[in-house]
Amino acid sequence: GQNIDQPTEMTATEGAIVQINCTYQTSGFNGLFWYQQHAGEAPTFLSYNVLDGLEEKGRFSSFLSRSKGYSYLLLKELQMKDSASYLCAVSRSSARQLTFGSGTQLTVLP
Amino acid sequence: EADIYQTPRYLVIGTGKKITLECSQTMGHDKMYWYQQDPGMELHLIHYSYGVNSTEKGDLSSESTVSRIRTEHFPLTLESARPSHTSQYLCATGTSGNTDTQYFGPGTRLTVL
Repeated sequence: GQNIDQPTEMTATEGAIVQINCTYQTSGFNGLFWYQQHAGEAPTFLSYNVLDGLEEKGRFSSFLSRSKGYSYLLLKELQMKDSASYLCAVSRSSARQLTFGSGTQLTVLP
Repeated sequence: EADIYQTPRYLVIGTGKKITLECSQTMGHDKMYWYQQDPGMELHLIHYSYGVNSTEKGDLSSESTVSRIRTEHFPLTLESARPSHTSQYLCATGTSGNTDTQYFGPGTRLTVL
């Protein structure tokens, strides 16, 4: 089976940096995804990591360590619109599907 | 423009009614998925398809059924709606190849009275 853990809630201040962690246990790991989901809306794709290391995309970066079963999403220069749920998802090579974590609800305060 | 469409966006219906939630895409993707998500809760895969005439059940048991007669279209049907079916239903498409990136439609919020 698969087990994905991420914090339930986080709070940060506008303009700050926040790191959202995700740990996973799975067999046949194929890649790790981060999605953003605003309340009442559909998830939108943020990043995909398959190799160890950091992938940077503007204000958002995602890191993966396959040996540790660990990833994080780094958000810089936080804006109010970044208040959302951030979903960590894992894909396996044997089953071309995604398994989603419960999500981390990020609140950005002025 | 490549996109994923879901209709209706909101539906309020009485118990026992038959409903079909529509999902269509112009992404050109072979893979399509249906997820169920209650407010503030995680996404659960209920159905998926890797191509025409291919459908499988997902991790979460569901009383709904799906069909995939055309690549672009992946409707979900509930023969007899119940209050326990109240939820948000999200359709997604996925690329072929080595990555499994999925892209989501806007969702249908279903309320069964």
